[in-house]
Amino acid sequence: EVQLVESGGDLVQPGGSLRLSCAASGFTFSNYKMNWVRQAPGKGLEWVSTILSSGDGTYYGDSVKGRFIISRDNPKNTLFLQMNSLRAEDTAVYYCAKARDGYLSFDYWGQGTLVTVSS
Amino acid sequence: DIQMTQSPSTLSASVGDRVTITCRASQSISSWLAWYQQKPGKVPKFLIYKASSLESGVPSRFSGSGSGTEFTLTISSLQPDDFASYYCQQYKSYPLTFGGGTKVEIK
Repeated sequence: EVQLVESGGDLVQPGGSLRLSCAASGFTFSNYKMNWVRQAPGKGLEWVSTILSSGDGTYYGDSVKGRFIISRDNPKNTLFLQMNSLRAEDTAVYYCAKARDGYLSFDYWGQGTLVTVSS
Repeated sequence: DIQMTQSPSTLSASVGDRVTITCRASQSISSWLAWYQQKPGKVPKFLIYKASSLESGVPSRFSGSGSGTEFTLTISSLQPDDFASYYCQQYKSYPLTFGGGTKVEIK
C-alpha cells in the first residue's frame, strides 16, 4: 500500500524558513517523479514543485521560484521541501504527491502538513 | 503559462442527476488532463488521467472526455458520496496548473 506521510509544518514568522519532509513507502520511490502541491485555507489547489526520479531535474511554480528548494533522498525514501523567505501568502496545507507512472498527474497524496506564516 | 478555467464554480444537484463539469485550457494540452475529487478537510482523490482514463477503483459513473482545450467530467447518476469539490489539472507543460474548482452541492 502506497503511503506518503508529511511532517515539518509549523507556525513561522514572515521571512523565516522551514523544511518539510515526506516519508514514502509501498512503492519504489526512486522510480517516480515526486511533487509538492499546496492549498491555502478555503482556496483551490496550487502546484508548487516537481523533482525527477533521480533528483537531477527540479521545477517550481513562479510564486516560490528562488525561495523554495525541492530535494529527495532516494535511499531513505524521503522527499523534502526547503522553504525560505516565507511570506504570509505561503500559508497553506502542503501535500506531497506521487506522479502516476512517467507523467505528472498525481495518483497518491499524503495527508498534508500545515504551514502558517504569521507574526 | 497554461490557464485552466472550470465552470460552473458551484453546481446544485440532486441524487440521481447527471452532472457535467467543464474545464477549458488557454491553449491546447492534447489529452494531458487529470481530474480530482476533494471533500472538505480531506485529501484530494485521483479520478481520471489522460482526459478519459478512469483510475482503478473509481466508480464507473465517473467519466471524462475532451481533447485540445475543452474537457468535461461527467457523473452519470449523482450519489450522496459525490458531493464534493472537483478540480482539473493540466500536465502538458510546466508550470502545472489546476482549475479553480467546482463545488457540487446538494440541491
